[in-house]
Amino acid sequence: EDQVTQSPEALRLQEGESSSLNCSYTVSGLRGLFWYRQDPGKGPEFLFTLYSAGEEKEKERLKATLTKKESFLHITAPKPEDSATYLCAVQASGGFKTIFGAGTRLFVKA
Amino acid sequence: ETGVTQTPRHLVMGMTNKKSLKCEQHLGHNAMYWYKQSAKKPLELMFVYSLEERVENNSVPSRFSPECPNSSHLFLHLHTLQPEDSALYLCASSLGRLGEQYFGPGTRLTVT
Repeated sequence: EDQVTQSPEALRLQEGESSSLNCSYTVSGLRGLFWYRQDPGKGPEFLFTLYSAGEEKEKERLKATLTKKESFLHITAPKPEDSATYLCAVQASGGFKTIFGAGTRLFVKA
Repeated sequence: ETGVTQTPRHLVMGMTNKKSLKCEQHLGHNAMYWYKQSAKKPLELMFVYSLEERVENNSVPSRFSPECPNSSHLFLHLHTLQPEDSALYLCASSLGRLGEQYFGPGTRLTVT
């Protein structure tokens, strides 16, 4: 069964303290892996798409990487405005369904 | 308006009421989705429409009834809901059924 697991469930950082969020996946052939950011009371906002192992994407303080079993979202020198829930999702080849993880809630304290 | 819009943003309804949620996308996409988001649970896909044809119905109870009159509009008709249906209902759209999805702000539904 296709599955996405995100860890940790919650992460508390001091401003400037770099860290990584993990997304482990089990799918029958990966078509694409997506990262989204969701602020309280809002819909998810698209961040990155990764398609193959070894691929990396960057945007400001965020960098997403992909291996054959997992993806990491690295946050460098985070700021309080980076506080949000980060969602990982995968699409498997042979189907069109997008499977979401439960998310990691990130809190960055000034 | 740009992106994906949803109305209403908040809805409180009794178990015997009938209401509808509306979604509109201004991105030129041709696939639209309804998701349910409950606290600390992954997004649950409810329905997918591609080119105005329903292509997926994820074992959703019949008290939820979707409608897609054209590629820009999507509705979710609600009737005789249960308290456990209280959640954030999100609409999304995409260009084709592969690739990233763009979400609306959601409707916070409370069933009393």
